[in-house]
Amino acid sequence: EPEVTQTPSHQVTQMGQEVILRCVPISNHLYFYWYRQILGQKVEFLVSFYNNEISEKSEIFDDQFSVERPDGSNFTLKIRSTKLEDSAMYFCASRAGRTNSPLHFGNGTRLTVT
Amino acid sequence: GQQVMQIPQYQHVQEGEDFTTYCNSSTTLSNIQWYKQRPGGHPVFLIQLVKSGEVKKQKRLTFQFGEAKKNSSLHITATQTTDVGTYFCAGRSTDKLIFGTGTRLQVFP
Repeated sequence: EPEVTQTPSHQVTQMGQEVILRCVPISNHLYFYWYRQILGQKVEFLVSFYNNEISEKSEIFDDQFSVERPDGSNFTLKIRSTKLEDSAMYFCASRAGRTNSPLHFGNGTRLTVT
Repeated sequence: GQQVMQIPQYQHVQEGEDFTTYCNSSTTLSNIQWYKQRPGGHPVFLIQLVKSGEVKKQKRLTFQFGEAKKNSSLHITATQTTDVGTYFCAGRSTDKLIFGTGTRLQVFP
C-alpha cells in the first residue's frame, strides 16, 4: 500500500538555525498538509497546499515557516530561524482529490530545538 | 476559530470493559473523521461520517454522528490491549481538517 514518507525521522538543531523537513506524499494525491504535535498534545494544523500554492494556513504558520513543492514528488517545510517552542513532531499528510477523502499521514519528523 | 473538544482526556479501563469518547465541535460540520494514533505512531484514519444521525460499525467500534452534526462519539465494546492509543475526531473547516483534543485510552490486561 502506498504511503507518505518523511525524512529525517529525528532532527536536532540549535535555536536560530534553519531546518528543512522533507516529505514524499502518495504519488496520485493532490492535497498536501503539514501538522505538528507537541508531545502529548493534539494534532495542530499548520498549512495546506494545493495546485502549487498554499490554500490555507494557521496562526502558527508565521513568516518563519514556508513550504515548497520543488518537483513532482517532494513537499518540504522550512523553518527559517528555529525557536525552542518549535520542538515537536511534524507530520506531513496527503489526500486524494475526491471530496472529503481521508488524510494519510507520514511517520513524522521529531524536531528538537536546543 | 473552530474548536473541536473531546472528553474524556484520558481513560483507563480493564480489558473487556467498554470505552466511549465524545467529540463536540463549536460549529456545524459537513462530515467528521476519526483517527487512531498508537503510542509513538502517526494518526491513522478509521472512518468518516457524513449524514446527520449516521451510525457506522467496524467490528467492536461504533461511530455516531449527531443529529445537529456538531457532535460525534466512538464506542468500543469489550476493549482489548490492542485498542491502546489516542483517538481523535476531526472536522473539516474549508480546506483544513481540525483535530479534536483527543482521548488517550489505556487498557490494562
